[in-house]
Amino acid sequence: DAMVIQNPRYQVTQFGKPVTLSCSQTLNHNVMYWYQQKSSQAPKLLFHYYDKDFNNEADTPDNFQSRRPNTSFCFLDIRSPGLGDAAMYLCATSRGQGLDGNTIYFGEGSWLTVV
Amino acid sequence: AQKVTQAQTEISVVEKEDVTLDCVYETRDTTYYLFWYKQPPSGELVFLIRRNSFDEQNEISGRYSWNFQKSTSSFNFTITASQVVDSAVYFCALSEAIDYKLSFGAGTTVTVRA
Repeated sequence: DAMVIQNPRYQVTQFGKPVTLSCSQTLNHNVMYWYQQKSSQAPKLLFHYYDKDFNNEADTPDNFQSRRPNTSFCFLDIRSPGLGDAAMYLCATSRGQGLDGNTIYFGEGSWLTVV
Repeated sequence: AQKVTQAQTEISVVEKEDVTLDCVYETRDTTYYLFWYKQPPSGELVFLIRRNSFDEQNEISGRYSWNFQKSTSSFNFTITASQVVDSAVYFCALSEAIDYKLSFGAGTTVTVRA
């Protein structure tokens, strides 16, 4: 059974129309991440939460926001999607402590199309 | 600065051939972790292996094997007797002890032809 679940798998949004992608995890992991992956590129970290502590990457545009209301859920909000934001968005988790603390487990991804 | 280099962009082989994916990393930490992930066309990044810097034992899992050599800062991955289902993009990644983030290589696309 999937342990990191992303919804929706496919999202089409209009240019400038806010969109929210969701992620839930059944692993009870402390850390949740959002990565952006464009075609033929490696995943790029946008931000991560260690418990409730939010950590933004320096080059993540302000257009991208995140919420983590509880341990299990994390949301990615794109306030005004542009054509350049079309990508796959990957949610991931890790324990964040212990011997296996930094092994990161990924969800299936949400493909975002901006029209 | 690039921390993980996967020099091979694409590799194409015929089924049952062996294929080796190269990965060279760079870090100043004495404690670090190396990973390989598989990304099939469906998109999910599948965790394959994690290796600690203090454990240089090579590992074999079925048709997969990994060769970790600190002396050359390499963590290479071999698929033996490749199958069509092995077709995917493979990413090597590094995590340093100071944080829990992954630095990915650019990925190597493996195509196995029947």
